[in-house]
Amino acid sequence: GDSVTQMEGPVTLSEEAFLTINCTYTATGYPSLFWYVQYPGEGLQLLLKATKADDKGSNKGFEATYRKETTSFHLEKGSVQVSDSAVYFCALSGGYSTLTFGKGTMLLVSP
Amino acid sequence: DAGVIQSPRHEVTEMGQEVTLRCKPISGHDYLFWYRQTMMRGLELLIYFNNNVPIDDSGMPEDRFSAKMPNASFSTLKIQPSEPRDSAVYFCASIRGGSLFGEQFFGPGTRLTVL
Repeated sequence: GDSVTQMEGPVTLSEEAFLTINCTYTATGYPSLFWYVQYPGEGLQLLLKATKADDKGSNKGFEATYRKETTSFHLEKGSVQVSDSAVYFCALSGGYSTLTFGKGTMLLVSP
Repeated sequence: DAGVIQSPRHEVTEMGQEVTLRCKPISGHDYLFWYRQTMMRGLELLIYFNNNVPIDDSGMPEDRFSAKMPNASFSTLKIQPSEPRDSAVYFCASIRGGSLFGEQFFGPGTRLTVL
């Protein structure tokens, strides 16, 4: 079945540091890929998405590129802020009605 | 739009008691999902509905869990009897059919503590 593997956290960075959170997936066919973000005490929010190979999703300074050859969708940001502290979830949709989520990676950014 | 609404936001109950969680999806959305989030197991899909009909309940952990959607604007998740291992954050999410399915809109969650 479909699965998503994310790097374990927490990831601890200083403000303005470069961020990478790794995500790889296993799926049949051509899934769509997503990053969701969960701020403390809130539900998940869609951060960015990519629906086909080589697509780059971007939002709020975050980017991720759909790499079919490496089955990856790594999240990056050039300069993190304290307000980016949250849990980040990689997810895929295999064309059916449901999402398959990774276990989430906590990001902690200190001033 | 008000977004997905869940109530209560926090629930503390004792083992053996019945618990009912409530969800109001975004108007016009015809898919509704119930998830459970714990530190140990992450985010798990429990059940989802399309046009008020349950489509897949294979994620419901046991018979103590049940979910209903009597109309397009309301769904409940019931646990009876509750157990301490049911303590978790329960999320409801919705989406309009025909949209990209990954773009689910989540409610703020209900934090359930069973003592």
